[in-house]
Amino acid sequence: NAGVMQNPRHLVRRRGQEARLRCSPMKGHSHVYWYRQLPEEGLKFMVYLQKENIIDESGMPKERFSAEFPKEGPSILRIQQVVRGDSAAYFCASSATGEGAFFGQGTRLTVV
Amino acid sequence: GNSVTQMEGPVTLSEEAFLTINCTYTATGYPSLFWYVQYPGEGLQLLLKATKADDKGSNKGFEATYRKETTSFHLEKGSVQVSDSAVYFCALSDQGNFNKFYFGSGTKLNVKP
Repeated sequence: NAGVMQNPRHLVRRRGQEARLRCSPMKGHSHVYWYRQLPEEGLKFMVYLQKENIIDESGMPKERFSAEFPKEGPSILRIQQVVRGDSAAYFCASSATGEGAFFGQGTRLTVV
Repeated sequence: GNSVTQMEGPVTLSEEAFLTINCTYTATGYPSLFWYVQYPGEGLQLLLKATKADDKGSNKGFEATYRKETTSFHLEKGSVQVSDSAVYFCALSDQGNFNKFYFGSGTKLNVKP
């Protein structure tokens, strides 16, 4: 059983472009969580999704950021019109129930 | 609100030294407490956890005890190895909201041979 798969591992975008980060949860997991890690900081919760539903998006910036977890396919974190301050590592975690999350290796976004 | 404070790093130790990384928390209710480890270029791995007061979590020689009276969850290991070099994160989650974690800022541990 493969772990939580995130791609790409590294992503470079110019200011104003869009960034799409993908997360394939572990097999059988229907709960997905996204976290952001700014340089030299801990991870900050962004959003919690179940299949086709956003459960808790209290950590998502109000503008430019969106997340989805469709019935089929990976969860997507989308950042529109990226700015330098969006440069960070974005981690996805998944679980089968509401506890016991496994983290992916992260996507490191660099905005130039 | 919920928050976690842990000692700043980096912490540099010689192999076989004793390790303590301090962690204190602020939370409403009865949170669960965790230590995660992040090796270079990797994601986070759960190291240990405790779900109620006075519980002791342990794994790979690491231990931490949930102290409600001091709101602490300090990480300890009796004899560190070079392979323990990593960043360690203390975290909490609300009762009933298990995977919405509040992380500390991390403590980098360097173990020298």
